[in-house]
Amino acid sequence: AQKVTQAQTEISVVEKEDVTLDCVYETRDTTYYLFWYKQPPSGELVFLIRRNSFDEQNEISGRYSWNFQKSTSSFNFTITASQVVDSAVYFCALRSGGGYQKVTFGTGTKLQVIP
Amino acid sequence: GAVVSQHPSRVICKSGTSVKIECRSLDFQATTMFWYRQFPKQSLMLMATSNEGSKATYEQGVEKDKFLINHASLTLSTLTVTSAHPEDSSFYICSARDASGRDNSPLHFGNGTRLTVT
Repeated sequence: AQKVTQAQTEISVVEKEDVTLDCVYETRDTTYYLFWYKQPPSGELVFLIRRNSFDEQNEISGRYSWNFQKSTSSFNFTITASQVVDSAVYFCALRSGGGYQKVTFGTGTKLQVIP
Repeated sequence: GAVVSQHPSRVICKSGTSVKIECRSLDFQATTMFWYRQFPKQSLMLMATSNEGSKATYEQGVEKDKFLINHASLTLSTLTVTSAHPEDSSFYICSARDASGRDNSPLHFGNGTRLTVT
C-alpha cells in the first residue's frame, strides 16, 4: 500500500519569508516517483516537479527547491522569498513504478502568503 | 507541453439527472486516464482508472453503476454521473499520461469540473 503524509494542513507566512512544506511517503516498491503539484484557488493542478527513487539529487528551480531523502522517506519542498502568488494548496504525490501507475496524493498543505 | 482538456468546467444539474464529463488529451495519446474526486478542502481521491478499449478499474467504495466511465479512444475518456444526488456534488478531475512518454513522465491534469446537484 502507498501512503503520502503532509502533516502541515495550513501554513501562513509573511511575504519574502522562506517556507518549507513537508512530505513523507510510504511504499514497498523499490521503483517509484514523487511529485509536487500546486492547486491555486481556480482549481487546476499545476505540475511542479517529479523525482524518481534512484535520483536523490536535490533540485533548485528559481525560488523553488526540493530535498529528497530516501533514508527518511521524505521529499520536502522549500519556497524561498515567498510571494503572494505562491498562495495555493500544494500536494505531494507518489506513484509506483509498475501496473497502471496510479498516483496517491497527500492531503495537501494550504499555503497563505501574507503581503 | 501536454494538454488535457476537461469539459465542462462547471455544471449545475437537478437531482435525478445524469451528467457527462469529458476528458481529452489534446496533443498526445493516453491509453490510461484517471478520474479523481476532490471534496472541499480535501485531497484528491482516485475513483477509477480508465483504460482505452477495456473496462475501467474502480477503487474500493466507488459505485461503478453510479459513475460510468468510457474510454473509447486514445484521446477521450468520459465520466457519467448517473442519477445524480446532492451528495455527488464535488470537484472532479481527470488526468492522463502520455503513452509514449518516459516511465517517470508526470500525469497531466485537466482543469476539473465542479458539479453541483440541486
